[in-house]
Amino acid sequence: NAGVTQTPKFQVLKTGQSMTLQCAQDMNHEYMSWYRQDPGMGLRLIHYSVGAGITDQGEVPNGYNVSRSTTEDFPLRLLSAAPSQTSVYFCASSGRGTPNYGYTFGSGTRLTVV
Amino acid sequence: RKEVEQDPGPFNVPEGATVAFNCTYSNSASQSFFWYRQDCRKEPKLLMSVYSSGNEDGRFTAQLNRASQYISLLIRDSKLSDSATYLCVVNTGGFKTIFGAGTRLFVKA
Repeated sequence: NAGVTQTPKFQVLKTGQSMTLQCAQDMNHEYMSWYRQDPGMGLRLIHYSVGAGITDQGEVPNGYNVSRSTTEDFPLRLLSAAPSQTSVYFCASSGRGTPNYGYTFGSGTRLTVV
Repeated sequence: RKEVEQDPGPFNVPEGATVAFNCTYSNSASQSFFWYRQDCRKEPKLLMSVYSSGNEDGRFTAQLNRASQYISLLIRDSKLSDSATYLCVVNTGGFKTIFGAGTRLFVKA
């Protein structure tokens, strides 16, 4: 039982480059989300999805795109990387289509933009 | 004012001690509450949900006070392995989940 799988675990980008962070879950969870975690701050919601084909913005969506073509996958795309996007990114999923039952997190992607 | 506030600590306690963390939230319409544990350079993991009646899981007890808008986590008989950052998490309705910045706990031998 893999749970939530994120790739890559580490990434260094140059300013202006684009990349996609991958997230997959095998628990048949409808709700999936992306968070970023910065020192001294709580996790902040970037985008979320309540099911295939449905996505919405969270608290800090600028500079990021998402899509949800299947229940299992929820990739996060950085359009043009900036140093301010240096962070740890976590993908999370929750059953029953709502975060009201707690999240299962992936192991995170540590991104550095130089 | 932050929507969810926690004392960042660190709390330094000896093994066997009892330690309590509080967390306040600003939205009185908040619906669900959780404590997560996060080890250094790891992902957060759900520790326990927090119910209005209070709930206990082994050495851990969580309480919710809706009138004062705070939740608490009590750890009894602290173990070295309890050393971690504890995140207070509030769901304010719909799909909006707010994470506190965390409270760091160090348990020393």
